[in-house]
Amino acid sequence: EPEVTQTPSHQVTQMGQEVILRCVPISNHLYFYWYRQILGQKVEFLVSFYNNEISEKSEIFDDQFSVERPDGSNFTLKIRSTKLEDSAMYFCASSALAVSSYEQYFGPGTRLTVT
Amino acid sequence: DAKTTQPPSMDCAEGRAANLPCNHSTISGNEYVYWYRQIHSQGPQYIIHGLKNNETNEMASLIITEDRKSSTLILPHATLRDTAVYYCIVRVLPMDSNYQLIWGAGTKLIIKP
Repeated sequence: EPEVTQTPSHQVTQMGQEVILRCVPISNHLYFYWYRQILGQKVEFLVSFYNNEISEKSEIFDDQFSVERPDGSNFTLKIRSTKLEDSAMYFCASSALAVSSYEQYFGPGTRLTVT
Repeated sequence: DAKTTQPPSMDCAEGRAANLPCNHSTISGNEYVYWYRQIHSQGPQYIIHGLKNNETNEMASLIITEDRKSSTLILPHATLRDTAVYYCIVRVLPMDSNYQLIWGAGTKLIIKP
């Protein structure tokens, strides 16, 4: 069964450094998402991406964040200058283009630790 | 904010049916009810969704009341691997654009041997 993959599984970085989290969505999916979950808290939407542009973003997704689909398979989340409060699990998701269903399929997540 | 209310936790004996309730009293006519679950620290997993008819798939059944103000997710024969946080989410089914999922706190379901 096709699945969303994410790398790395765990990333440790120092405050102020840039990080890039990578995702490979399911191959025939056209909608891509990033969510985050701070330890012990709710899952929070960050951004959705379709047709090579951002279609929705939350207040969390400020100028420090960016997304890119650099080729036909990868979808990346970049945090330009990490802060301690960016420490969280980051989940990538994708969904297919279909009138009847827009289930989002999630990857296993990247645990980002900012020190 | 999430438009659903769920009990924070529930227990169920292994092999029994687990019935997880969800209130969505402000649901509008074009909003679907989705259920996801998250096994400890893993990515959320889609379970099932419905509009007004009851739905069943290989994982679960979804019962939606006639007034659509509440629903119940049923895991017919719960196993220890079903221990997870279960999220009930209402959302519009997008036609021309995609919509974020808005997550509440969910119900922590513990399956006991």
